[in-house]
Amino acid sequence: DTAVSQTPKYLVTQMGNDKSIKCEQNLGHDTMYWYKQDSKKFLKIMFSYNNKELIINETVPNRFSPKSPDKAHLNLHINSLELGDSAVYFCASSQLGRKNIQYFGAGTRLSVL
Amino acid sequence: DQQVKQNSPSLSVQEGRISILNCDYTNSMFDYFLWYKKYPAEGPTFLISISSIKDKNEDGRFTVFLNKSAKHLSLHIVPSQPGDSAVYFCAASAMYGGSQGNLIFGKGTKLSVKP
Repeated sequence: DTAVSQTPKYLVTQMGNDKSIKCEQNLGHDTMYWYKQDSKKFLKIMFSYNNKELIINETVPNRFSPKSPDKAHLNLHINSLELGDSAVYFCASSQLGRKNIQYFGAGTRLSVL
Repeated sequence: DQQVKQNSPSLSVQEGRISILNCDYTNSMFDYFLWYKKYPAEGPTFLISISSIKDKNEDGRFTVFLNKSAKHLSLHIVPSQPGDSAVYFCAASAMYGGSQGNLIFGKGTKLSVKP
């Protein structure tokens, strides 16, 4: 019974396409996040979101947008994919008040050709 | 500009011995530090943390030491076990306030524990 699950696990697509990655958590957490791990292995936060506030890392292009249909889900939409978007994307969640203790999904490896 | 640095990409240790993983940070505003462990094809999992008001935190075989004046922390694993073989990420954040949850990660150190 996976706590934070992401789909798909692998995503291969062409430049210019639009794609989405889904994330669901069953931990009852209030805050969810998206991270990007690039080819140099840096794990960088892209967004944090709870039902009141979206915090965007200022370096994230506006082609990336998080969408939250409810507290348990935070999907990542990416428009006009570029080669540099190839990376592993991790979703995470945490309790409000214990935000630093985050629970991660297994990651989605995105390859843009 | 790396605010959290793990200068050793890899470390190999014999089973039963001590593993010491190091981490340096540059931003004096960080007051909460964490170690996450990552196995291949899995996401990072929280291991242990320390706030800046302490210099040591222990949890079983894992101990984190913080030297604020040197902006340095280390993770000690003793005794090391083959199941500890993983990538260890150091992370820094704020304990309270708006920056809580904004984890800044190092590049990770791959630990291999040999039987």
